[in-house]
Amino acid sequence: EVQVVESGGGLVQPGGSLRLSCAASGFTFSTHWMNWVRQSPGKGLEWVANINQDGSEQYYVDSVKGRFTISRDNAKNSLYLQMNSLRAEDTAVYYCARGSSGGWSPWGQGTLVTVSS
Amino acid sequence: DVVMTQSPLSLPVTLGQPASISCRSSQSLVYSDGNTYLNWYQQRPGQSPRRLIYKVSNRDSGVPDRFSGSGSGTDFTLKISRVEAEDVGVYYCIQGTHWLPYTFGQGTKLEIK
Repeated sequence: EVQVVESGGGLVQPGGSLRLSCAASGFTFSTHWMNWVRQSPGKGLEWVANINQDGSEQYYVDSVKGRFTISRDNAKNSLYLQMNSLRAEDTAVYYCARGSSGGWSPWGQGTLVTVSS
Repeated sequence: DVVMTQSPLSLPVTLGQPASISCRSSQSLVYSDGNTYLNWYQQRPGQSPRRLIYKVSNRDSGVPDRFSGSGSGTDFTLKISRVEAEDVGVYYCIQGTHWLPYTFGQGTKLEIK
């Protein structure tokens, strides 16, 4: 079964850091772009970042540039999102999603990040 | 950024009746390779989004054939021929043609009347 499973969410204070992980299975991880997408009650769905197959290209939404870093380890079939200088508006469920020319599928179950003092 | 506008935002439907959701983009979604990267996703209550339709009209494996996608350029539609109880949820269109950044419709909440 093709699946991705996120972990690493939690409660963090404003200005803090958190590292999300996504474990992939059931497909050849190294041949796919991978994405992080978040969902918050106030802003709906928002694409956060993606990374190409060998990790040499990364792209970010403007609101996280300079604060978040996407990376991957193809030997471990894993995707990561390092989040620094977190703000209240980063509070959301963060989804990992496999990319293709037809969009994103599958998505994981999500991991909740809450930024609050 | 490309603005995606869905309508309606709320869609009460009687079981067994058809439903239609519109998605309009602020610019053409035809890419230079000739493809149109417009996809539809369903998010059932308490679940993560699931892709239903990719590149306008291609149904994902396991998606019932009562779901269909159509459209071109800037105007797209998701249709459900006969709504079933399991179709309750929020439906999103997402464009990947002008993908920095990818942009989403606001979501259409389908409920049973």
